[in-house]
Amino acid sequence: RKEVEQDPGPFNVPEGATVAFNCTYSNSASQSFFWYRQDCRKEPKLLMSVYSSGNEDGRFTAQLNRASQYISLLIRDSKLSDSATYLCVVNKGGGSQGNLIFGKGTKLSVKP
Amino acid sequence: DAGITQSPRHKVTETGTPVTLRCHQTENHRYMYWYRQDPGHGLRLIHYSYGVKDTDKGEVSDGYSVSRSKTEDFLLTLESATSSQTSVYFCATGGSTDTQYFGPGTRLTVL
Repeated sequence: RKEVEQDPGPFNVPEGATVAFNCTYSNSASQSFFWYRQDCRKEPKLLMSVYSSGNEDGRFTAQLNRASQYISLLIRDSKLSDSATYLCVVNKGGGSQGNLIFGKGTKLSVKP
Repeated sequence: DAGITQSPRHKVTETGTPVTLRCHQTENHRYMYWYRQDPGHGLRLIHYSYGVKDTDKGEVSDGYSVSRSKTEDFLLTLESATSSQTSVYFCATGGSTDTQYFGPGTRLTVL
């Protein structure tokens, strides 16, 4: 099993649609989870952290299922500006000095 | 966003030449990282630093060395560049052991 696995997409959705991305991770010792967003030819930017209780930031909702080692990101009312690659990120755990493992990303394209 | 700059932003060099990339941060973050990003591989950690003069290897450290003589600067050196080191290089910093903020990247082409 890959350390962090994501469906590469692309997900092509119309404006206003709801879209969900999933991610699985292999290291049960991982303690911290994130979603990053990366625009074409730009640096990754932190979108949100993912907590066990689930968390919401505007149109974005992140969920964590530790038992299944599964993370999700839900985007409601998609905007053209949401078009980007979304990276699932997990820490190595075990006092790894902040080492993060990045998924290869899921590409989202929102069309008019 | 953390104040992170990288220089140069673009570089073309020839096989066998030494190359040094610089990362500079103004956030006084303890942790600094160098990644490379290639199609099909995602972001891979090259080296990281957990303090001045404290560095360690990441998963793809062969052919690279780093130095951190002061908190704000983290240098990545390719001692003898090869075509396989053509990539986009990102620096990242973090004040804690998890959250990382990225610089704008350096596009390196080795001919």
